[in-house]
Amino acid sequence: AQTVTQSQPEMSVQEAETVTLSCTYDTSENNYYLFWYKQPPSRQMILVIRQEAYKQQNATENRFSVNFQKAAKSFSLKISDSQLGDTAMYFCAFQNNNAGNMLTFGGGTRLMVKP
Amino acid sequence: GAGVSQSPRYKVTKRGQDVALRCDPISGHVSLYWYRQALGQGPEFLTYFNYEAQQDKSGLPNDRFSAERPEGSISTLTIQRTEQRDSAMYRCASSLGLAGALTEETQYFGPGTRLLVL
Repeated sequence: AQTVTQSQPEMSVQEAETVTLSCTYDTSENNYYLFWYKQPPSRQMILVIRQEAYKQQNATENRFSVNFQKAAKSFSLKISDSQLGDTAMYFCAFQNNNAGNMLTFGGGTRLMVKP
Repeated sequence: GAGVSQSPRYKVTKRGQDVALRCDPISGHVSLYWYRQALGQGPEFLTYFNYEAQQDKSGLPNDRFSAERPEGSISTLTIQRTEQRDSAMYRCASSLGLAGALTEETQYFGPGTRLLVL
């Protein structure tokens, strides 16, 4: 079974600054995908970024980028030029492609962007 | 296009009643997943379908929970004889391709149904 750990329950950042959210996971699988989802106060679940484990290049999506360290089983999310609208819960998720693609989520990190 | 929709958005029920939660996936999406999210926690997997076939129901907490997707599109999650511990956000997600086909398939989530059992 896979486990996903987000060790930072809460974080805060000043508007326009950069923040990094941590995520580690444990698996014996080699073929998998990793995701970051954002859950704003509306409680929608919004895909932020995804990473294929077989790709060495870190994924980027505009202000969002990841630092994927496969050997260390680490998958952190960096948010640059933080905006007030980035205030949300952020969930890291693991997808095992050998087991039906269901997602295993971490416990979440609550990010507050301060003006 | 339209995203995943769920209804009702909120459901308040009394202990012992049955509830049915509906999910309408993105048109053409083959796979459909159900998750449950307690307040302050990440979602937990319940069950999933490829087309109309339920592939894995290992996450369903007990036999009061069941799900169906009879025509391979809309799905219903039913909870019988609800208990207070069933109170949570129930989320549905869909993905385009076949789950378990050794390909990445991004899951797109619906807005969820918030269930409160009194």
